[in-house]
Amino acid sequence: EDQVTQSPEALRLQEGESSSLNCSYTVSGLRGLFWYRQDPGKGPEFLFTLYSAGEEKEKERLKATLTKKESFLHITAPKPEDSATYLCAVRWYNTDKLIFGTGTRLQVFP
Amino acid sequence: DGGITQSPKYLFRKEGQNVTLSCEQNLNHDAMYWYRQDPGQGLRLIYYSQIVNDFQKGDIAEGYSVSREKKESFPLTVTSAQKNPTAFYLCASSESGNTIYFGEGSWLTVV
Repeated sequence: EDQVTQSPEALRLQEGESSSLNCSYTVSGLRGLFWYRQDPGKGPEFLFTLYSAGEEKEKERLKATLTKKESFLHITAPKPEDSATYLCAVRWYNTDKLIFGTGTRLQVFP
Repeated sequence: DGGITQSPKYLFRKEGQNVTLSCEQNLNHDAMYWYRQDPGQGLRLIYYSQIVNDFQKGDIAEGYSVSREKKESFPLTVTSAQKNPTAFYLCASSESGNTIYFGEGSWLTVV
C-alpha cells in the first residue's frame, strides 16, 4: 500500500536553531512531492513541489530536497513565525490524487 | 482576487440532517477536491472531480455526495449516513496534474 510518513510528529526549536523535517514515501511512480504549511484553523498553504531525485527548492529560511525514497524540509535559523504544521504529500502516475502524511507540528520559541 | 472560497466557515448539524458545504474557485482550474481533516490523521480524500459532470470517490466517500455542474463549483453534501461528520473540511483545486491549492476550510460540528 502506498504510504507517506512524516517525522518527527512534533518538534520544538529555539529561535535560530536549525533542523530538518522528514517525509518518506513508498509510492511507486512518483509524479510529484509537495510541501505545505498549515496554520491552526486554516487551509494548507503551498510551499514547494519537487519532481525528481536530486531536486532542491528554496524559499526564505526553508529548503526542500528530494531523494528516491524521502524528502527533507530544512529550516535554517527559524523564527517564531515559522511555527506551524508542515504537511508532505505525494502524487503518483495515472492519478491527480494526493496522499498526505500526518504532518510535523513545529514550534519555535524566542 | 483569485482563489478558492469555502462557505460557511462554521456549520452545525443536527442528527439525521443533511448539510451542504459550498466551494467556489475562480482560478479556472479543471480539477477540484474535497478533503477531510481529523486531529492526528492528516488529510483524507473524500471525492474529486477532474472535469465538469464527472467525479470519482476518494478513500472515505461513504456518507458524502457531490456534484460538478459548473467548472467553478464543487459542493459537498454530508448526509445523515455519515456517522461521524464532525471534522474540518477542505476544498481544493488544481490544473490537471499540477499543484493543488486549498481553500480556508469549513468546520462542521454535530449537535
